[in-house]
Amino acid sequence: DAGVIQSPRHEVTEMGQEVTLRCKPISGHDYLFWYRQTMMRGLELLIYFNNNVPIDDSGMPEDRFSAKMPNASFSTLKIQPSEPRDSAVYFCASSAGGNEQFFGPGTRLTVL
Amino acid sequence: DAKTTQPPSMDCAEGRAANLPCNHSTISGNEYVYWYRQIHSQGPQYIIHGLKNNETNEMASLIITEDRKSSTLILPHATLRDTAVYYCIVSLGTDSWGKLQFGAGTQVVVTP
Repeated sequence: DAGVIQSPRHEVTEMGQEVTLRCKPISGHDYLFWYRQTMMRGLELLIYFNNNVPIDDSGMPEDRFSAKMPNASFSTLKIQPSEPRDSAVYFCASSAGGNEQFFGPGTRLTVL
Repeated sequence: DAKTTQPPSMDCAEGRAANLPCNHSTISGNEYVYWYRQIHSQGPQYIIHGLKNNETNEMASLIITEDRKSSTLILPHATLRDTAVYYCIVSLGTDSWGKLQFGAGTQVVVTP
């Protein structure tokens, strides 16, 4: 298995632009998580899905952030409009409903 | 979820055992202890987890005290590739709608 796949690996955009991050979980996993990591705040859980349904989005910072999971093999995290303070590494992880989460390589986002 | 306390950093000599402590004095009876690590610029990696009993896998051993208020992760023969930030987390686990809340972790540096 290729593991969790995230794209793009690096994204540089200007303030005000829309950013879409993509994630393909490991096949057969029924949980999907989106995390954000910054030096100031560490690794934070933004939202997680179970069987494509959002379960807890209490970590989503504000309405500019949205996440979708249209099917079991694809999820997106969208930021519109983006701001410099959104600069971070965004990780996607998936789990087979057990106790082990498998993380992707992350997307490094820079908002100028 | 209960919070954990870890030392911010520790050094270990290559080939020696690394013992990483974690305090979780407010852990509840149905919460698990998880350990993850994050090698620089990579996504976190699951190491091991446990509830009450000691656990061992190919990566490490987890020793949980009888009162469950603390635990120790043991890397039996540290290598340079074990240099990473190690996170101790207590959580209900995804089966019970639990979430992983990552703290600051312990920066472990393995030296030749």
